[in-house]
This record gives sequence, C-alpha cells and structure tokens, in this order.
Amino acid sequence: SQQGEEDPQALSIQEGENATMNCSYKTSINNLQWYRQNSGRGLVHLILIRSNEREKHSGRLRVTLDTSKKSSSLLITASRAADTASYFCATDPLTGNTGKLIFGQGTTLQVKP
Amino acid sequence: GAVVSQHPSRVICKSGTSVKIECRSLDFQATTMFWYRQFPKQSLMLMATSNEGSKATYEQGVEKDKFLINHASLTLSTLTVTSAHPEDSSFYICSARSGKGMSNEKLFFGSGTQLSVL
Repeated sequence: SQQGEEDPQALSIQEGENATMNCSYKTSINNLQWYRQNSGRGLVHLILIRSNEREKHSGRLRVTLDTSKKSSSLLITASRAADTASYFCATDPLTGNTGKLIFGQGTTLQVKP
Repeated sequence: GAVVSQHPSRVICKSGTSVKIECRSLDFQATTMFWYRQFPKQSLMLMATSNEGSKATYEQGVEKDKFLINHASLTLSTLTVTSAHPEDSSFYICSARSGKGMSNEKLFFGSGTQLSVL
C-alpha cells in the first residue's frame, strides 16, 4: 500500500517561479527519494536523502527531510517548461524491508512558458 | 547511469490472448526487479517483486496465475499477462535494483508498456 501523501496533487506555475511539493510518510525510514515521471514514461531518480540528513541540493533541486514530522519537501528553483512532469516521493522503510520502495501519490507540476 | 530497457512500449491485443512484457537491465546486474501497474493520473501500484532464480513475491490482491513473472537471469525479467481482458488495460512499468554498492538504494525504471485489451 502507498504510505506517502503528497501535496499539492497538482501545481501550475509560470516559468521562472519556484515550485514546492511536500511529502508525508508514516513509518521510520532509511532514506527518502524523489522521482520524476514525464507523461507516458518511466520514472527517473532525482535525489536521495538519508534519514540522518536534513537538507540536500542537486542543481536546481533542494530537498529537506524532517524525520520528527515524517515529512519531506522538494523545491525546484527557477522552473522551466521542461520541468513539467509528475513528481513522486518514495520511502525506503527501516524495518520489514523487502527492498521495495513505497511511493507517494505524486504531484503533477505544470510550468507555463 | 544504469539503463533499463522495457519492451514493447505499446501493445494492443484481443481479449483472451496473452501478452509478454520484457524488462532488461543493460549495463548492470539486477538482483531484484519490481513490476508496477499505473492508472491514469495515479501513483504506481506495486504488483510483485522478482528476484533472480526464485519465485516472485506478489502483493496482496494480485493474481499470480494471471500475472506470471519470470526472472531467469540477472538482466532479464518478464511479465506475462495471461488471458488478458479489457480491465487489464493499463500502463505497466518495471524497475530494477542493482545488487551492489550504494547505488542499490535507488531504482532504475523502464520506460513502461501501455497495454490496451480490446
């Protein structure tokens, strides 16, 4: 079952603006990952943050993790039309793990040129 | 980066026929592969986990006789939708996890297969 809740479900912004999406989860984790999916395609790994990390950067991406609140956020700065996609958080559970990730419901981002 | 090839990308078939979808890791050995189903505008629903050389582990509610999974080698897993019906129409995606090193924490995805059953 999916344990991640993401909000907003959909986000529409203008090119150049920042986009923030949030993810909440329920169980203790080893790490949390963000993936991107273009329409009709597979997912692409964006960034991984470990449970002992609070913030991580990769290019225009900034991810934060608050394990006390069991939440994470993904910030995309200076958005581009090419960033239009669905974004999913995925958690790697700490216990009872069979190697599978638990995916959130996703946020659909539209960046208008 | 690691590449996972999924084939075919799109298939249309008649009700009652079987369809095989292949998932190959091209430049790494995938000890574990996952199969998902995705409905429009929804998240991925994990169907099963396949480990090379052993039987797949199916998620609750997924019929193992309907969705046959074979992980015969470290680079190939197949999903066969047997006796497909229109309700099986969906987007199917595979992913692979490398068995080695820190990179085994993330998943590498195939590009998906859109199955339409008439």
